[in-house]
Amino acid sequence: AQKITQTQPGMFVQEKEAVTLDCTYDTSDQSYGLFWYKQPSSGEMIFLIYQGSYDEQNATEGRYSLNFQKARKSANLVISASQLGDSAMYFCAMNRNRASGSRLTFGEGTQLTVNP
Amino acid sequence: NAGVTQTPKFRVLKTGQSMTLLCAQDMNHEYMYWYRQDPGMGLRLIHYSVGEGTTAKGEVPDGYNVSRLKKQNFLLGLESAAPSQTSVYFCASRGFQETQYFGPGTRLLVL
Repeated sequence: AQKITQTQPGMFVQEKEAVTLDCTYDTSDQSYGLFWYKQPSSGEMIFLIYQGSYDEQNATEGRYSLNFQKARKSANLVISASQLGDSAMYFCAMNRNRASGSRLTFGEGTQLTVNP
Repeated sequence: NAGVTQTPKFRVLKTGQSMTLLCAQDMNHEYMYWYRQDPGMGLRLIHYSVGEGTTAKGEVPDGYNVSRLKKQNFLLGLESAAPSQTSVYFCASRGFQETQYFGPGTRLLVL
């Protein structure tokens, strides 16, 4: 069975500073994908970044980067130059292979608060 | 291009009533999913579909049924609603790329 663990229920960061949100995973699949989604207070789920298990380089999307350490089974999200609009719940997720429908398993989330 | 849409946005049901949630996507995606999100938790998969006419159970399928008669639509049914089904329901779809794109969610309250 797959499992995602986010050990930080809440995090605080000063505006313009960088912050790292932790995510560890457990899977027996050889091929899998790791995702981060943002959920602001309005409730929608916004895709941020994706990392494939065979990708050799860490994924980056603008101010977001994914620190992928396969041996440690971790996929931490790094947000650089935090903005007030980054305050939201952040979910780490992992998908199963396509034969299993590419289903997503989510962690319980980290509530990020950016202070001015 | 509306992406993934969900109908209705909010609904109140009494215990024992039935209802259907509609998910529609205009991205020609093969895969579609229904998740539920309970307070303070991540999303959990209810049912999913890998193509028109197919459905499969997810992590928490009990009390729900689904149908995928058309590629662009994925329906989630509650035959006899229970208070434990009070939740926010999200639909998602996925094409050839790995990323799932989510609808805006449906808030369901069962009294």
